[in-house]
Amino acid sequence: DTAVSQTPKYLVTQMGNDKSIKCEQNLGHDTMYWYKQDSKKFLKIMFSYNNKELIINETVPNRFSPKSPDKAHLNLHINSLELGDSAVYFCASSQEPPPLHREQYFGPGTRLTVT
Amino acid sequence: GENVEQHPSTLSVQEGDSAVIKCTYSDSASNYFPWYKQELGKRPQLIIDIRSNVGEKKDQRIAVTLNKTAKHFSLHITETQPEDSAVYFCAAKGGGNKLTFGTGTQLKVEL
Repeated sequence: DTAVSQTPKYLVTQMGNDKSIKCEQNLGHDTMYWYKQDSKKFLKIMFSYNNKELIINETVPNRFSPKSPDKAHLNLHINSLELGDSAVYFCASSQEPPPLHREQYFGPGTRLTVT
Repeated sequence: GENVEQHPSTLSVQEGDSAVIKCTYSDSASNYFPWYKQELGKRPQLIIDIRSNVGEKKDQRIAVTLNKTAKHFSLHITETQPEDSAVYFCAAKGGGNKLTFGTGTQLKVEL
């Protein structure tokens, strides 16, 4: 009965590879997010989708491409991985859109290590 | 865009003492201020939030205060317990509907 799930939990890969992280929520929420948490614990939003539509697109390299096949899923594909991409990536969801403010439920995180 | 500053970065208290974490924000349009707790290796989880039409909110040992004029808000934890040890993040959501997080406070409650 996990609310927000991510796969894989750990991902170790070499520079230059392409990888994907999957996220699913069973809360019936309309909005989903991807966050990056670096080694200093800074949490920074990358993308947000509302009902499969991109509504927030922060300044991230275009090697990162989110895809939302339906409102319960938001996947993150990363091309040509670099050392600086190593971080924990969190998916989250909430019952919005604006101007409502609701709790964001986070997934367990995916620890990406690029070697 | 919104900028959220959080202090202190680390905080060590004795069990039973109070802990206070402070945040300031820059966007006067921000109107929602949640606080998240992240235990080691776990996901961030909401512990309390406050909206801009309220000055204070309390939930058992946790309270949050908001000063819209000064653009700062604070988290207060009373009677701290070892299980309160974690990283705490403040956040602010403004007109762009984007949640901007503070840099986090590592709270350690010592026996």
